[in-house]
Amino acid sequence: GENVEQHPSTLSVQEGDSAVIKCTYSDSASNYFPWYKQELGKGPQLIIDIRSNVGEKKDQRIAVTLNKTAKHFSLHITETQPEDSAVYFCAASIRGGNQFYFGTGTSLTVIP
Amino acid sequence: ETGVTQSPTHLIKTRGQQVTLRCSSQSGHNTVSWYQQALGQGPQFIFQYYREEENGRGNFPPRFSGLQFPNYSSELNVNALELDDSALYLCASSLGLAGRNEQFFGPGTRLTVL
Repeated sequence: GENVEQHPSTLSVQEGDSAVIKCTYSDSASNYFPWYKQELGKGPQLIIDIRSNVGEKKDQRIAVTLNKTAKHFSLHITETQPEDSAVYFCAASIRGGNQFYFGTGTSLTVIP
Repeated sequence: ETGVTQSPTHLIKTRGQQVTLRCSSQSGHNTVSWYQQALGQGPQFIFQYYREEENGRGNFPPRFSGLQFPNYSSELNVNALELDDSALYLCASSLGLAGRNEQFFGPGTRLTVL
């Protein structure tokens, strides 16, 4: 099966700074990579995703990049705000597969 | 359009008991996946139901079982509860098989086994 590693496990940034979270995956057949934000007491919410035929995708302050050769993908949050504080998970799914493999999460704290 | 709902929100059981967790999928979604999320970890795939049939299972023992109903709602049953079963159980729904389509999560059921 797939193995997804995520770094760092914790990240603190000043409000207005950028935050970057990185993930690597092991199976070259993986072709869909969503990112989820999980706030305390809630289920994960999809914030952005990328498919393997695209190298970068942006949605306002959030962007995701994918390097298929190196098998890694990253989440970039610019102009961070206190409400961005949460746990972020990356995930991957294998082409033709039926499940998502999640990273271990990054706890992001944005300091006002 | 209603989102994914789960019940109950919290549950306390003792070792050896059985538990049933429930999930209502997002309107129009025909696939439900269940995940176990231990404290401080990412969600781990338990199994997926597509049009009332199990379609894929993660590395969980047979005492974890499930059902999907004609309205696409789903149940997760866990028999012979063990202390390590304490976790947040998440249900996610999608239109079509998860792994190929966006899936949306419910708020989860927090299970504590004493």
